[in-house]
Amino acid sequence: EAQVTQNPRYLITVTGKKLTVTCSQNMNHEYMSWYRQDPGLGLRQIYYSMNVEVTDKGDVPEGYKVSRKEKRNFPLILESPSPNQTSLYFCASSFLQGAEAFFGQGTRLTVV
Amino acid sequence: AQSVTQLGSHVSVSEGALVLLRCNYSSSVPPYLFWYVQYPNQGLQLLLKYTTGATLVKGINGFEAEFKKSETSFHLTKPSAHMSDAAEYFCAVTPFDTASKLTFGTGTRLQVTL
Repeated sequence: EAQVTQNPRYLITVTGKKLTVTCSQNMNHEYMSWYRQDPGLGLRQIYYSMNVEVTDKGDVPEGYKVSRKEKRNFPLILESPSPNQTSLYFCASSFLQGAEAFFGQGTRLTVV
Repeated sequence: AQSVTQLGSHVSVSEGALVLLRCNYSSSVPPYLFWYVQYPNQGLQLLLKYTTGATLVKGINGFEAEFKKSETSFHLTKPSAHMSDAAEYFCAVTPFDTASKLTFGTGTRLQVTL
C-alpha cells in the first residue's frame, strides 16, 4: 500500500530536549516536505527536498533541521524545542511537480 | 510569491444543500491548484486538482471545482451535502515552474447539519 509513515503520532517533550520526527515513504517519490498546521494559519511549509542531499527552506524554517540521506526518508529534527513549536506536523511526498502530494497521518507535538 | 485566500473559516450547510467553498489565489506564473480534505485526526487527502486543460475539474466524493483565470478563483462545489462531508478543506497553489512548494490557504471547516 502506498503510504507516508510518520512517527511518533503523539509526542510531549520538554523545552530544549532534542527530538526527531521520522518520515518514510514507499512510493519512490523524489519530492518530500514538512509542514506545520496551526489553527487559523493553515499549513505552512517548513522544509522541502527535491532529491537526496538536496534540501531547501520553506516559509517557517527557524528552529528546525532536516536531512535527506536516502530517498525514502526525510526526518525532521528539533535541536532545542520551544513551546512555540507546539503544533501538528505533516510530512508529504510527491512524484513530481504538479502531482498529487501524499500526506502522512500527522504528529502532534507538545513542548512544555 | 503565490498566496491563497479562503473566504470563510467556517461554513455550515444543511444535508442535501449545495456546498460552496471559496478559494482565490495569486500567482505570478500559471498555477497548479488543489483542494485537499482533512477528516478529524487524519492527514490531508487530495480531492481534486487543476494543472492544465479543462477548467472544470471533477474530484472524489462528488466534488468539483472550476478554474477561472479572470477571477483568479478555484471554488469548490458539491450539489448535495452529506453528513460525511463534514471536514476541513484546504485550497493550495503551486507555481508551474517551481517544484514542490505548495502554498495552502488557512482552511474552511465544513459543518453539515440535519
